Amino acid sequence: KQEVTQIPAALSVPEGENLVLNCSFTDSAIYNLQWFRQDPGKGLTSLLLIQSSQREQTSGRLNASLDKSSGRSTLYIAASQPGDSATYLCAVQDRKLIWGLGTSLAVNP
Amino acid sequence: ETGVTQSPTHLIKTRGQQVTLRCSSQSGHNTVSWYQQALGQGPQFIFQYYREEENGRGNFPPRFSGLQFPNYSSELNVNALELDDSALYLCASSLDPGSNNSPLHFGNGTRLTVT
Repeated sequence: KQEVTQIPAALSVPEGENLVLNCSFTDSAIYNLQWFRQDPGKGLTSLLLIQSSQREQTSGRLNASLDKSSGRSTLYIAASQPGDSATYLCAVQDRKLIWGLGTSLAVNP
Repeated sequence: ETGVTQSPTHLIKTRGQQVTLRCSSQSGHNTVSWYQQALGQGPQFIFQYYREEENGRGNFPPRFSGLQFPNYSSELNVNALELDDSALYLCASSLDPGSNNSPLHFGNGTRLTVT
């Protein structure tokens, strides 16, 4: 049974710092891995999708990596800003998405 | 292109009642998935519809049922509501359930409170 774990559960950093969020999964038979952002009380915004055959994807200040063999993904956020404050969730997809519990990020001005 | 829209945004129901939540998929998408997100938890998969047929189901009881219409919009119905059904219900649409490059696009969700 696929299980997804995210570390840390919460993170508070000063503005401008580079930071790394971690995601691990137990079954490497996945279609892809996706990172999402969720603002309080809101739906989910897709940030990056890494196909199972890929090793990383980049979008602006975000870079996500995938190592299927070790069951790990990282989301790197460069030069963090207060507007980055949100919960970041990773999910692995076979026919459905299986989610971690998220990392709650606070970027302080 | 229009995104995923869900209605209503908020809903308060009494235990034992029935509720219907609605979702319009993103233009061009033929697959709709429903997720339940309890406070402080990650979303849990309820079921998925692909071209009007159920295409997978999570660990939810039969009182959670759904429909997908010819225009690919969808409904989630919950009968005999229980207090634990209080959650944010998220709908996501995608192009193809079998593709490894078909990201899910989410609506803003319906916040259901059962009292």
